[in-house]
Amino acid sequence: EDQVTQSPEALRLQEGESSSLNCSYTVSGLRGLFWYRQDPGKGPEFLFTLYSAGEEKEKERLKATLTKKESFLHITAPKPEDSATYLCAVQAGLYNQGGKLIFGQGTELSVKP
Amino acid sequence: EPEVTQTPSHQVTQMGQEVILRCVPISNHLYFYWYRQILGQKVEFLVSFYNNEISEKSEIFDDQFSVERPDGSNFTLKIRSTKLEDSAMYFCASSRGPALKTQYFGPGTRLLVL
Repeated sequence: EDQVTQSPEALRLQEGESSSLNCSYTVSGLRGLFWYRQDPGKGPEFLFTLYSAGEEKEKERLKATLTKKESFLHITAPKPEDSATYLCAVQAGLYNQGGKLIFGQGTELSVKP
Repeated sequence: EPEVTQTPSHQVTQMGQEVILRCVPISNHLYFYWYRQILGQKVEFLVSFYNNEISEKSEIFDDQFSVERPDGSNFTLKIRSTKLEDSAMYFCASSRGPALKTQYFGPGTRLLVL
């Protein structure tokens, strides 16, 4: 069964304290890995798509990387406004014509000033 | 910037009642999705829709659920006879294509079944 696991479940950082969030996956044929940000009571907001091992994407203080078994979301010098839940999702399967995303449970990030 | 919109933002209903959740996808997108998130749990896939038919559905999407694109802009999710366990946040999403294309999510409808 395809699975996505994120760690840690919660992370508290001081402003400026860099860290990384992990997303590990066991799927039959990864087609793409997506990172989203979710604020309380809101819909997921797209951040990055990664397609193949070794790929990296950056946006402001965030950098996403991908290996054959996991993805990392690195946060450099975070600010309080980076506080949110970060979701990882995968598309998998050679015959996935429906575009289904499989989500992890998310990492709740809190950045204190 | 184009975005997915959903109405209503909140819906309270009695068990056994029918509800219709509405979504307006991004205008040039062709694929539409519904997901749900029970409080404190993962976002779960319900159904994908393309060319006026269901492309894929999950085990959650049983006979009580249906989807429709009644016109050129709206996409709806109907729950025929709501159950307590249907209480969740329901998200609509849309994309240009099914695979490898980014899905953009709406703000959600919070459904509470009493």
